[in-house]
Amino acid sequence: YALTQAPSVSVSEGQTASIACSGVDFGETFVCWYQQKAGQSPVLVIYQDVKRPSGIPERFSASSSGTTAILSIRGTQITDEADYYCQVWDGRNPRFGGGTRLTVL
Amino acid sequence: EVQLVESGGSVVRPGGSLRLSCAASGFTFDDFDMNWVRQGPGKGLEWVSSINWNGGITEYVDSVKGRFTISRDNAKNSVYLQMNNLRVEDTAFYYCAREQEVAGNGKGLDPWGRGTLVTVSS
Repeated sequence: YALTQAPSVSVSEGQTASIACSGVDFGETFVCWYQQKAGQSPVLVIYQDVKRPSGIPERFSASSSGTTAILSIRGTQITDEADYYCQVWDGRNPRFGGGTRLTVL
Repeated sequence: EVQLVESGGSVVRPGGSLRLSCAASGFTFDDFDMNWVRQGPGKGLEWVSSINWNGGITEYVDSVKGRFTISRDNAKNSVYLQMNNLRVEDTAFYYCAREQEVAGNGKGLDPWGRGTLVTVSS
């Protein structure tokens, strides 16, 4: 199965960005989300569907229903401009979505 | 500070071999499963291989099975990726990533190293 993400999303600074991931029944599996800024390594921003690692701002949240999971960024800042990847576990193996480039206008 | 540092990336011809290394520090290495994830130029993330804490369980993406071998040396706090019969499509940044230090299922990969670049070209 493939995890599908829109290639790009734009949001005005200060507004809420929503990045979707689809392709599996998220009631049956956990989802994680990663942020990758240009020229940097990925950083985990959401794990176990809705939890934030320490150091990740409260502006980042996530939800899921049926076959769609959504990463939300409230009060989006210029510094949030990055590629975002969803990830689920296929047995012992992580599987990533194709990524969404978030542009902050 | 928890840290992962990859090395070994280089330019290699198709059919050649490379061995990537990932040196870990700042945590009890043999408590964690480890992963290699790659990212081709302008492309997304692709999991490549994983190894459990004692090396007894290894997994590979189909495209590298039979060509790549993951291993670890817990005495040296290091994980390795031996890559043989390299193809042009293996060109990518290769990241080392640890499983997250939380209980239960649904954990993520955290942290990640800075990556090492493998270029396969004639």
